[in-house]
Amino acid sequence: AQSVAQPEDQVNVAEGNPLTVKCTYSVSGNPYLFWYVQYPNRGLQFLLKYITGDNLVKGSYGFEAEFNKSQTSFHLKKPSALVSDSALYFCAVRGLYNTNAGKSTFGDGTTLTVKP
Amino acid sequence: GAVVSQHPSWVICKSGTSVKIECRSLDFQATTMFWYRQFPKQSLMLMATSNEGSKATYEQGVEKDKFLINHASLTLSTLTVTSAHPEDSSFYICSASRPGGSYEQYFGPGTRLTVT
Repeated sequence: AQSVAQPEDQVNVAEGNPLTVKCTYSVSGNPYLFWYVQYPNRGLQFLLKYITGDNLVKGSYGFEAEFNKSQTSFHLKKPSALVSDSALYFCAVRGLYNTNAGKSTFGDGTTLTVKP
Repeated sequence: GAVVSQHPSWVICKSGTSVKIECRSLDFQATTMFWYRQFPKQSLMLMATSNEGSKATYEQGVEKDKFLINHASLTLSTLTVTSAHPEDSSFYICSASRPGGSYEQYFGPGTRLTVT
């Protein structure tokens, strides 16, 4: 079975400070990992993904994430947070094998609040 | 990016009636679409995988006779909630991936269903 854990329900940061939203995963084989963001009253939007290659991946809106195989983590980061980054963030892993092939499993989400 | 639309964005119905939700990929063809439920402040729960031209694959615990899925074309999947009850009230979201192995999902804006 595949799973994703986002250990923090809520992350609060001040504008201009760096932010980290944590994610760990469990999956058979090489992971396909994703971050999505959900703004209030809007659909989920794709931010970035790790499929293969460099462990540090860059995505939309200045976000990046670091894949760490030994720690089975894929933490989302941004060097300088904006108030407009306040939203609900989901980490997801996509299965490749058997009954999980093609299916994405999502974490419970982390609400990011950036205060002016 | 890729655009996925859903219609309606919200619907209120009476217990015992049926409601149809449409999911369309507007600028790409989607052989596979996914249907999720999202409860308040909770993650997305995969309900079923919709395959164009064949039967949908339902996740364990999802009643296929209650949640009818039809994927009649490469750009349209529909979810019909039959004999709706108040416990079916939820936020329903569809998603699709672009063909060609990009793997990330593109989500519709969701449909808020309230059963009275």
